[in-house]
Amino acid sequence: RKEVEQDPGPFNVPEGATVAFNCTYSNSASQSFFWYRQDCRKEPKLLMSVYSSGNEDGRFTAQLNRASQYISLLIRDSKLSDSATYLCVVNKGNNRLAFGKGNQVVVIP
Amino acid sequence: DVKVTQSSRYLVKRTGEKVFLECVQDMDHENMFWYRQDPGLGLRLIYFSYDVKMKEKGDIPEGYSVSREKKERFSLILESASTNQTSMYLCASSLSRGRDYGYTFGSGTRLTVV
Repeated sequence: RKEVEQDPGPFNVPEGATVAFNCTYSNSASQSFFWYRQDCRKEPKLLMSVYSSGNEDGRFTAQLNRASQYISLLIRDSKLSDSATYLCVVNKGNNRLAFGKGNQVVVIP
Repeated sequence: DVKVTQSSRYLVKRTGEKVFLECVQDMDHENMFWYRQDPGLGLRLIYFSYDVKMKEKGDIPEGYSVSREKKERFSLILESASTNQTSMYLCASSLSRGRDYGYTFGSGTRLTVV
């Protein structure tokens, strides 16, 4: 099983709609989790950390389900500028991060 | 804001050349990492370093070496470039080994080996 698995998509989302996607991770001992955003031909940038209690940053909500070993990201009221690839990231220990291949989101006018 | 600077945005090299990719961070981060990113394969870790003069192999170290003589600088070396090393190379840094520290990435070097 891969360390981090994501459905690559693309996820075609009408502007203003809500989109959600999950990623699963294999190491039950993993302690910290992140979502990164990567625009086309740019570097990944930290979007948000994912906490056990879940966390929200504006239109973005991240959730962690340790029992089922998955992390989710929900984007409400999608904007055209949300079009990007969203990378699920898991800390393997000693600050070594495992990256998923990403969920590609395309927001359509 | 932490800044991670990679020396070149685009690079074209010939097969067999020795190639140096430079990365500098300006926030006194302990950890530095080199990744390559290819379509369909995602980010793959080549080498990383937790401290000056220290280096550890990542998942795909073959054909590469690294150097960290100063804390702020982490160099990736392609000993003899080959066409299968054509890729986007991304350098990253993070504060320390603490579990909650995300990475800051440089803007990447797109290397083409011909």
